[in-house]
Amino acid sequence: DQQVKQNSPSLSVQEGRISILNCDYTNSMFDYFLWYKKYPAEGPTFLISISSIKDKNEDGRFTVFLNKSAKHLSLHIVPSQPGDSAVYFCAASANSGAGSYQLTFGKGTKLSVIP
Amino acid sequence: DGGITQSPKYLFRKEGQNVTLSCEQNLNHDAMYWYRQDPGQGLRLIYYSQIVNDFQKGDIAEGYSVSREKKESFPLTVTSAQKNPTAFYLCASSIGSRYGYTFGSGTRLTVV
Repeated sequence: DQQVKQNSPSLSVQEGRISILNCDYTNSMFDYFLWYKKYPAEGPTFLISISSIKDKNEDGRFTVFLNKSAKHLSLHIVPSQPGDSAVYFCAASANSGAGSYQLTFGKGTKLSVIP
Repeated sequence: DGGITQSPKYLFRKEGQNVTLSCEQNLNHDAMYWYRQDPGQGLRLIYYSQIVNDFQKGDIAEGYSVSREKKESFPLTVTSAQKNPTAFYLCASSIGSRYGYTFGSGTRLTVV
C-alpha cells in the first residue's frame, strides 16, 4: 500500500510559467515532508522541506504548501526554468520516537520545462 | 568536502554471479540506506542501517545482502537469487529524517 502518492507521472510547463507538483499521503503519523530533485543517472538532491506545524515554506522560486486535513502537499516553482526539468520526489517521515530515520518516497513526477 | 561516494558508476554482471556495490560516506552519519530505482517505480528501500553492526530489511530485501562493519561503509551485495537485478542503485545517509538524506550518485547495474 503506497503511503506517499504522486499521481502525475509527468508534467510539462512553459518556461516562465508556474509548475505545480502534487503529493498525497495516507499515513496520519507523517509529520515532516521533503521534496527531492533528481537528474538522470544522478542521486536525488534535497530541495525543500516542511514540518507539519506549518502550512507553507518558501525558498526562492520554490514554495511547498501543506494541507494536513486533506493530507496533501504541493510544490510550486515560479517562474519555471529549463534547468528545473527533472524528476521530483515527494518524501515523508514520521516521528516514531524509536529513532527511526526512514523516509517514505513517492514514485516521482517528471517535470519538463519547455523553452 | 564531506559526501557519499558510490562505486562503480556502471557495473555489468553475468547471470548467476554475485556482485558488491560500494557505498562510503565521510559525513559522520549514523544511518545509511540502499534504494533501488526502476522506471515508474520510484525509490524502493532495500536495506537500512541505523548503527554499526546492525541493519534491517526494507521493502524489497530478497536477493540482497548488506554489512555494516564500519560507520563509514555500507556495501550492498546483489546475489544470484535476485531475479531482476538490472536497475539503478542509490545509497544514502542521514543523521535523522528531519534533515533528510544525502544521496550518492548511484550505480547502474546491468545483467548481461
